Amino acid sequence: KQEVTQIPAALSVPEGENLVLNCSFTDSAIYNLQWFRQDPGKGLTSLLLIQSSQREQTSGRLNASLDKSSGRSTLYIAASQPGDSATYLCAVPLVDGYGQNFVFGPGTRLSVLP
Amino acid sequence: EAGVAQSPRYKIIEKRQSVAFWCNPISGHATLYWYQQILGQGPKLLIQFQNNGVVDDSQLPKDRFSAERLKGVDSTLKIQPAKLEDSAVYLCASSRSGDEQYFGPGTRLTVT
Repeated sequence: KQEVTQIPAALSVPEGENLVLNCSFTDSAIYNLQWFRQDPGKGLTSLLLIQSSQREQTSGRLNASLDKSSGRSTLYIAASQPGDSATYLCAVPLVDGYGQNFVFGPGTRLSVLP
Repeated sequence: EAGVAQSPRYKIIEKRQSVAFWCNPISGHATLYWYQQILGQGPKLLIQFQNNGVVDDSQLPKDRFSAERLKGVDSTLKIQPAKLEDSAVYLCASSRSGDEQYFGPGTRLTVT
């Protein structure tokens, strides 16, 4: 059974800091890994999708890496801004007997202080 | 392109009542998902459709939850009867090829 964990559960940093969010998964048989952002009371916004054959993806100040063998992914946010405050979730799809099943981590709640 | 649409955005009902949620996915997206997100947790997949067929409903409480996707486009999720523990945000997502997912704004359900 796939389990996804995220560390830390919450993080508070001053504006301008670089930070790293961690995602771990127990079953390495994944097709890809996706990072999402969720603002309070809102749905999820896709940030980055890393295919299993890739090691990292970049979008602006965001960089996500994937190490399938160790079951880990990191999301690096450079020069954090107050607008980055949100909950960040990772999700992995895996194929089981039914089809594709997506498993989410519990999220990291980020607060960037001005 | 238009995003995933969901309605209603908020719903308050009493336990044992029934409720239905509606989702319209992004045009051309064959795969549609319904998730339940309890406060403080990540979303949990309830059901996945490929066109109008069910791919995975292993985590759907079938004694009270039902879902359908008519004509492979819009989908409805129903709860009957509702319980207090069904209070959550219900998220709909769609995907073109079962790969990258796009989420709607969600429906926040409160059962009193």
